[in-house]
Amino acid sequence: EVQLVQSGAEVKKPGESLKISCKGSGYSFTSYWFGWVRQMPGKGLEWMGIIYPGDSDTRYSPSFQGQVTISADKSISTAFLQWSSLKASDTAMYYCVRQTHSGSHDYWGQGTLVTVSS
Amino acid sequence: QSVLTQPPSVSGAPGQRVTISCTGSRSNIGAGYDVHWYQQLPGTAPKLLIYANNNRPSGVPDRFSGSKSGTSASLAITGLQAEDEADYYCQSYDSSLSGWVFGGGTKLTVL
Repeated sequence: EVQLVQSGAEVKKPGESLKISCKGSGYSFTSYWFGWVRQMPGKGLEWMGIIYPGDSDTRYSPSFQGQVTISADKSISTAFLQWSSLKASDTAMYYCVRQTHSGSHDYWGQGTLVTVSS
Repeated sequence: QSVLTQPPSVSGAPGQRVTISCTGSRSNIGAGYDVHWYQQLPGTAPKLLIYANNNRPSGVPDRFSGSKSGTSASLAITGLQAEDEADYYCQSYDSSLSGWVFGGGTKLTVL
């Protein structure tokens, strides 16, 4: 059974750094693109970017380029999303997704709520 | 403002048929890129409903169907049920942005 399990909720202050994770299981981790989707409170879905764990090829949405870093450690089947300096506007639910070759997101993690507040 | 435009809300009575539109442009749907649809029930993670324009993943009822024509796509739900009340999102690839984009989402209310 394919599962994506994300790390727990985080509460941070503006300016702090953060790295959240998502562990994939039940499939070949290096054979699918792995992505991140943001959902701000009461808002819609935003595609942030993807990584191919097989060779670490990474693509970002222009809206998120330079704002976050996506990485993966294939030895532990885990992908990461990190910020070097959080802002209050980063407060959102973040979902990890398995992205198929057609671009659909066939499996989703349960979501990690990130709250940034002074 | 998303590059894929959806109506903010639609509604229908139980048993009725509703459709949700997703309007794009020549850099996404009109360029031939696949359209995918997701259902997000309140308080839960989104779920893939339709992939590659008109294909249902295993377990999705055949009451849900997708279509695509020109620069637009549509999701149709027949035999509306109370449990269908949710937010629905379309998604496609956009060559101008070199990435995938979601529509703004449509809230379906079952009257």
